[in-house]
Amino acid sequence: DVVMTQTPLSLPVTLGQPASISCRSSQSLVHSDGNTYLNWYQQRPGQSPRRLIYKVSNRESGVPDRFSGSGSGTDFTLRISRVEAEDVGVYYCMQATLRLTFGGGTTVEIK
Amino acid sequence: EVQLVESGGGLVKPGGSLRLSCTASGFSFSNAWMSWVRQAPEKGLELEWVGRVKSKAHGGTTEYAAPVKGRFTISRDDSKNTLYLEMNSLKTEDTAVYYCTREYWGPDYWGQGILVTVSS
Repeated sequence: DVVMTQTPLSLPVTLGQPASISCRSSQSLVHSDGNTYLNWYQQRPGQSPRRLIYKVSNRESGVPDRFSGSGSGTDFTLRISRVEAEDVGVYYCMQATLRLTFGGGTTVEIK
Repeated sequence: EVQLVESGGGLVKPGGSLRLSCTASGFSFSNAWMSWVRQAPEKGLELEWVGRVKSKAHGGTTEYAAPVKGRFTISRDDSKNTLYLEMNSLKTEDTAVYYCTREYWGPDYWGQGILVTVSS
């Protein structure tokens, strides 16, 4: 199985400041069809997960443009350009190249 | 609007069985791949993929995560827009909130989740 490793585990951020979460996979996520199926999800307290980014860098409709995804191969990053109070929650990376596996999650909190 | 509504959760004893249902609306269910994902309170906030069923156009085949393979069965009834998760030989470590998800390049829409508690 593909293992997804996220860092950091916890990320205290000042409002208005940037934040960055890393995700590393145990093997390349490039599918035989040429796509890289790496997604990012946000789970606010008491809510179901919500997909923010799909295929590394594509924002879902309605997702603010302060969220961006990048990376390739085995190393990926989610960036929030200026953290707002509504961004508090847990963020997960997930690969769908070979079945599905999730990273362990990163908790974003306001300092 | 896409909606996924789970039902059937509750308390069950170890070794027991339970069947979850997920009723879908707002999209072409028969063309969708569907998955179950769970989140166990005792495993922090980790999300764990349980398994999936592909659309009939893609063979309607199922895949399962190792911890549930042989005990859980995923099925679908396209005439009812409903996804099922049959859980047998339940263990305490199966205690979790179970989410029904639609898969499109990975889960895109999620249900509200339903709690399954396995305890004596």
